[in-house]
Amino acid sequence: AQKVTQAQTEISVVEKEDVTLDCVYETRDTTYYLFWYKQPPSGELVFLIRRNSFDEQNEISGRYSWNFQKSTSSFNFTITASQVVDSAVYFCALSEAHTGFQKLVFGTGTRLLVSP
Amino acid sequence: DTGVSQNPRHKITKRGQNVTFRCDPISEHNRLYWYRQTLGQGPEFLTYFQNEAQLEKSRLLSDRFSAERPKGSFSTLEIQRTEQGDSAMYLCASSQQGGELFFGEGSRLTVL
Repeated sequence: AQKVTQAQTEISVVEKEDVTLDCVYETRDTTYYLFWYKQPPSGELVFLIRRNSFDEQNEISGRYSWNFQKSTSSFNFTITASQVVDSAVYFCALSEAHTGFQKLVFGTGTRLLVSP
Repeated sequence: DTGVSQNPRHKITKRGQNVTFRCDPISEHNRLYWYRQTLGQGPEFLTYFQNEAQLEKSRLLSDRFSAERPKGSFSTLEIQRTEQGDSAMYLCASSQQGGELFFGEGSRLTVL
């Protein structure tokens, strides 16, 4: 069965520190997508990235970077030089080919607290 | 604002009452999704529509829950005879076929 595990419940860092959020997934499909979403206190889930299962290239977008490793079923997210505005709950999610990619399965989220 | 809009943002009701939430998706999106999020958990899939057709319903969606999207635009999610366990954030999302989901800010339900 599909599953997404975010073992870190909460992480606290001081501004300008780098932080990595871990995500481990389980799926029987060979074709799937992985996602990261940010949920600020307002509640809206903000899309950050989508990665398909055939693309293991790491991606960098500004201070954000993602490391996808199929060998360990992990899709980790690193924020470089964290800022107070990065404080939010971050969710990793999975969608699979056998559902037509229509359902996102979310992890339980990691709350990131960045203090000044 | 051209994002996904949800109303009301917060609803407090007594157990046994009916409640209805509305979602207005991004206008060119033909797919609309409902998710439920309880405290400390990630969102869980409830149902989705392509245009006006409801294509899938989760087992989480009991008989007390009904969702509609009558004209393929906005959608409503009604919960009848609410129970305390229904207290959660109800999130709506929309997408174009094959595209990313864009979420609204959610409707928080508190059942007393």
